Amino acid sequence: SAVISQKPSRDICQRGTSLTIQCQVDSQVTMMFWYRQQPGQSLTLIATANQGSEATYESGFVIDKFPISRPNLTFSTLTVSNMSPEDSSIYLCSVEDPGGRGTEQYFGPGTRLTVT
Amino acid sequence: QKEVEQNSGPLSVPEGAIASLNCTYSDRVSQSFFWYRQYSGKSPELIMSIYSNGDKEDGRFTAQLNKASQYVSLLIRDSQPSDSATYLCAVNWGDYKLSFGAGTTVTVRA
Repeated sequence: SAVISQKPSRDICQRGTSLTIQCQVDSQVTMMFWYRQQPGQSLTLIATANQGSEATYESGFVIDKFPISRPNLTFSTLTVSNMSPEDSSIYLCSVEDPGGRGTEQYFGPGTRLTVT
Repeated sequence: QKEVEQNSGPLSVPEGAIASLNCTYSDRVSQSFFWYRQYSGKSPELIMSIYSNGDKEDGRFTAQLNKASQYVSLLIRDSQPSDSATYLCAVNWGDYKLSFGAGTTVTVRA
């Protein structure tokens, strides 16, 4: 499986500000995904990021709030814009299995965001 | 609305016993099924994937899939305290995206 890193691992931010989360993979992957895990909840997909095309957002998530970049096959960023306390969550990136064995996804360590 | 349902927890089992986790899903077109383990404060870790009907065994873990009943389960044999975690069922609907159940928290009593 791929080795995935995220920066920052955690942050405390003031409402109204923005935070950009980075996701780096040690191998080239076509598809990268961004999830949110609110306290005590399961994972919700925010968007799918493919290199060379705009991200595809799930219902309830919009580009103005969560802009995503995917400049190459090993890197992606998610920005949480104009933050409010409701954005306090763990944000996780995942990648499809680079070995192409199926639709398995592997997760990065996550970014724990607290908005005050 | 495509949904993934897991049996409500928490599930408490004595050390050495079998922990049984269940998951049902709403759409028959589902192709791929996964079990993730998530320790507190950590990210989900893939422990099992299953694609066809029947059983798949990996060490102390057995996944069972019944597509006709839209049901997938995970058995943990000889449960150890290190198995204490939240187990997430995930379903792929055929479009590379995963939908997750709410998770079942397992506690193994020493």
